[in-house]
Amino acid sequence: DADVTQTPRNRITKTGKRIMLECSQTKGHDRMYWYRQDPGLGLRLIYYSFDVKDINKGEISDGYSVSRQAQAKFSLSLESAIPNQTALYFCATSSQGEETQYFGPGTRLLVL
Amino acid sequence: GDSVTQMEGPVTLSEEAFLTINCTYTATGYPSLFWYVQYPGEGLQLLLKATKADDKGSNKGFEATYRKETTSFHLEKGSVQVSDSAVYFCALSDPNTGGFKTIFGAGTRLFVKA
Repeated sequence: DADVTQTPRNRITKTGKRIMLECSQTKGHDRMYWYRQDPGLGLRLIYYSFDVKDINKGEISDGYSVSRQAQAKFSLSLESAIPNQTALYFCATSSQGEETQYFGPGTRLLVL
Repeated sequence: GDSVTQMEGPVTLSEEAFLTINCTYTATGYPSLFWYVQYPGEGLQLLLKATKADDKGSNKGFEATYRKETTSFHLEKGSVQVSDSAVYFCALSDPNTGGFKTIFGAGTRLFVKA
């Protein structure tokens, strides 16, 4: 079984809709991240969380919010989706003191 | 701020060809350097890393040497296979942040033809 899972894997939504992307991990890591990937831009950090009570904005947090429901679960919400949020979204985890990050398979989001 | 620049793709090679993907970085401190690989339909996974100058990271036939004097971390493989077709990301991390501040390059797509 995958250590980092994301649901859904694909999602099509309309402008103005609220959607949630979910991430779960079984690695026991305390740190979790949300990135978006756009062609030619690499990965950009949206939010990161060091533990359940510690959530921080990344470089492109506008239009997004997150919830760390438990150590193993970290959700990303788009309150009112817009077309330029069409992208591939990745969740990642790491353990304290370790720099390597472990990624989920991604969620492909299309906002019409 | 810190940044990573890697060669644009796509790179198309024939099987058994030599591969080089260039990566240079800008950082104020002494970052750790990484190469991640993304196979089709999957998330990124660590390919190799180096944590200090002159270190060589290696895995699956791929190598990269941390060159502080040229601020580079070029990825090489002597003989590529079709199964190496993927997107390769160079990245740096400030070890003082425990890795949460990881900066990724734009990625280089590699196609290997049989």
